[in-house]
Amino acid sequence: AQSVAQPEDQVNVAEGNPLTVKCTYSVSGNPYLFWYVQYPNRGLQFLLKYITGDNLVKGSYGFEAEFNKSQTSFHLKKPSALVSDSALYFCAVRGLLRNTGKLIFGQGTTLQVKP
Amino acid sequence: DSGVTQTPKHLITATGQRVTLRCSPRSGDLSVYWYQQSLDQGLQFLIQYYNGEERAKGNILERFSAQQFPDLHSELNLSSLELGDSALYFCASSVAGSLGGVRADTQYFGPGTRLTVL
Repeated sequence: AQSVAQPEDQVNVAEGNPLTVKCTYSVSGNPYLFWYVQYPNRGLQFLLKYITGDNLVKGSYGFEAEFNKSQTSFHLKKPSALVSDSALYFCAVRGLLRNTGKLIFGQGTTLQVKP
Repeated sequence: DSGVTQTPKHLITATGQRVTLRCSPRSGDLSVYWYQQSLDQGLQFLIQYYNGEERAKGNILERFSAQQFPDLHSELNLSSLELGDSALYFCASSVAGSLGGVRADTQYFGPGTRLTVL
């Protein structure tokens, strides 16, 4: 069965410092991985995805993620955090059933960036 | 703004009632997905439609049903509502223009409908 784990419920970081939000996955075959962000009372916004190719994926708002096949991880990173980055972050993997697009989400990680 | 619209934004109703949630996908997107977000279950996939046809089902209750219309908008019908159905319901859409490309395309989410069952 496919699954995604986000081991930290909350990550705290000071503004200007680098941030990492962790994600590990379990899937047979090649994974299709996604990061989304949810601001309070808003829908999910797409940040980036890994399909194939370069292990470092660049996305929106200065975020990037590193795909590591040997560690089955897809951690989200940003070199310098902003207070406005404070939100709920979700990692997701695309389901394997042919021609279906369902996403399997992790439980989410709350990012708090303090001034 | 993702381009996916959902109505209504908020819905308050009583147990045993029936409600309909509506979603309009982004222009050109053929696939519509429904997800439920609750505190205890997290984000769960409910159902997917592609160009009017059901494509995949998740942990969707028998009391829930959905459809996608010829103009590609979708409706999620929830009946015999229970307190535990209170949640945020999201619709997402993606291009899914080719069968082989489904897994790679990005889903864009609407703002959600917050359902409260009293």
